Amino acid sequence: QVQLQESGPGLVKPSQTLSLTCTVSGGSISSGDYYWSWIRQPPGKGLEWIGYIYYSGSTYYNPSLKSRVTISVDTSKNQFSLKLSSVTAADTAVYYCARARYSLSYWGQGTLVTVSS
Amino acid sequence: EIVLTQSPDFQSVTPKEKVTITCRASQSIGSSLHWYQQKPDQSPKLLIKYASQSFSGVPSRFSGSGSGTDFTLTINSLEAEDAATYYCHQSSSLPYTFGQGTKLEIK
Repeated sequence: QVQLQESGPGLVKPSQTLSLTCTVSGGSISSGDYYWSWIRQPPGKGLEWIGYIYYSGSTYYNPSLKSRVTISVDTSKNQFSLKLSSVTAADTAVYYCARARYSLSYWGQGTLVTVSS
Repeated sequence: EIVLTQSPDFQSVTPKEKVTITCRASQSIGSSLHWYQQKPDQSPKLLIKYASQSFSGVPSRFSGSGSGTDFTLTINSLEAEDAATYYCHQSSSLPYTFGQGTKLEIK
């Protein structure tokens, strides 16, 4: 069974760049069947889809975040990553990675990132 | 961007009751509508994909229906473990979007 695990700093200062990595086990990112996604959830609020990457490197980003988001993939490590620049307190959220084939079939446990000085 | 509106926002229900949650899309999305369950301090879990297809391992009391703009998640014979927030999600049109969530409380 595929498993996903997010990792990265839990605290980021305002104006800096948030960086997270998702490690996939139990399946290959390079299989070509899935899109690898990032979703976030501010404390006590709903879900916001950030974007996805295909194993080839092609990406799509939510227009609401597009100017600040970069998603990349490292097939040799079976990982994909999220960078969100110029963060503010509004970017404080639990960040999830997930495997998608239109529906989001498997999710990581999520990691809380707090933006604060 | 397609807006998904769920109703109700909150519902308090008793065990064994039948529960219906609706999700309305701002434009037609065919059957590209999926349902998730999120329990406190857990990640969301896929329940229903493409409006009516049960995901592997999901109890049979969960079912989905609908197409176009109106969709329904039904929970037959509610159990205490079903206390959670439920979200709908559309993958018909980028950017993919989620409903605001429906919180189920078990009395």
